[in-house]
Amino acid sequence: SAVISQKPSRDICQRGTSLTIQCQVDSQVTMMFWYRQQPGQSLTLIATANQGSEATYESGFVIDKFPISRPNLTFSTLTVSNMSPEDSSIYLCSADRINTEAFFGQGTRLTVV
Amino acid sequence: LAKTTQPISMDSYEGQEVNITCSHNNIATNDYITWYQQFPSQGPRFIIQGYKTKVTNEVASLFIPADRKSSTLSLPRVSLSDTAVYYCLVGDEGGKLIFGQGTELSVKP
Repeated sequence: SAVISQKPSRDICQRGTSLTIQCQVDSQVTMMFWYRQQPGQSLTLIATANQGSEATYESGFVIDKFPISRPNLTFSTLTVSNMSPEDSSIYLCSADRINTEAFFGQGTRLTVV
Repeated sequence: LAKTTQPISMDSYEGQEVNITCSHNNIATNDYITWYQQFPSQGPRFIIQGYKTKVTNEVASLFIPADRKSSTLSLPRVSLSDTAVYYCLVGDEGGKLIFGQGTELSVKP
């Protein structure tokens, strides 16, 4: 099955700064998604990363705060902008191909101080 | 996307069979039922997917009644390493997953 690599695996950042998380899949996929998982909670879908066009954001998430890029079929980035301690969370990307189940990266554990 | 309801937590002992039931009353005709497993500090891992009746793979079975308003994940002879959170999801095959709260399974020796 396909493998997703996420970088960084963890980071500690100062409030007011931004962090870009990279997600690389080892084979072409049709769909890519970004999730957030706060401590002890379930996953919340942030957005669908669309190749070559603007991401589709879920309710409560906006492009200015979480800009997303997907320049090709195997790579996407999520930026957490102007961070505050409330952004401390695990961020995960997932990918999907036609007629296969979605699979996930290992996540990026972000701590904002 | 249909909402799912499952128990928040379950306890079991090694060697027992564990059945986790999920309710999805508003499942749509083209929706599939998918279960994921998540260990701490890891991304969710696919376990099994089905549309109706029974599906079995090397790790689990999935039972889906005719009305498809619920489903049951069955884990045979669990071990300590099966301690994890199990998520039931309902949706089409577009890959967009909406997670509920999940069931935290604790397997004891």
